[in-house]
Amino acid sequence: GENVEQHPSTLSVQEGDSAVIKCTYSDSASNYFPWYKQELGKRPQLIIDIRSNVGEKKDQRIAVTLNKTAKHFSLHITETQPEDSAVYFCAATNNDMRFGAGTRLTVKP
Amino acid sequence: DAGVTQSPTHLIKTRGQQVTLRCSPKSGHDTVSWYQQALGQGPQFIFQYYEEEERQRGNFPDRFSGHQFPNYSSELNVNALLLGDSALYLCASRYRVSPRGAFFGQGTRLTVV
Repeated sequence: GENVEQHPSTLSVQEGDSAVIKCTYSDSASNYFPWYKQELGKRPQLIIDIRSNVGEKKDQRIAVTLNKTAKHFSLHITETQPEDSAVYFCAATNNDMRFGAGTRLTVKP
Repeated sequence: DAGVTQSPTHLIKTRGQQVTLRCSPKSGHDTVSWYQQALGQGPQFIFQYYEEEERQRGNFPDRFSGHQFPNYSSELNVNALLLGDSALYLCASRYRVSPRGAFFGQGTRLTVV
């Protein structure tokens, strides 16, 4: 089955800096890669996604890149704000989602 | 639109007991997946239901079983509970042919004592 690895496990940045989270996957048949944000005690919320026929996608301060050949994808958050503090999960999908272990992002004011 | 709803929100069970968790998918969604999220970890895929059949299964023992009803709602059953089954159980729904990610319910926090 699919195996998704996510790094780093924790990330601390200063407000206004950029944050980058990286994931790799093993199943070359995976074709859809969502990212979720989970705040403490809440459900995971979809924040951005990318399909395998696209190399990059941007939505305001958030962008995702995908290298299908290398089987890795990344989340980029620019101009970070304290409200970006949360746990972020990447996932790879081939019929169903398999998640990485998560990255706890802390944005210091 | 109520989104994905799960019940109950919290549950305490004794080791060896059985538990049933329920999920109502978002309106228009026909596929339901269940995940187990231990504290500080990512959601682990348990299984997926579509057209009332289990379509895919993760690496979970047969003690974990499920069901999907004609109205697309779903149940997760866990038999012979172990202390290690304590976790947040998340249900996620989507429309099978949709390219978008799944939407999660708020989860059921199961504590096994």
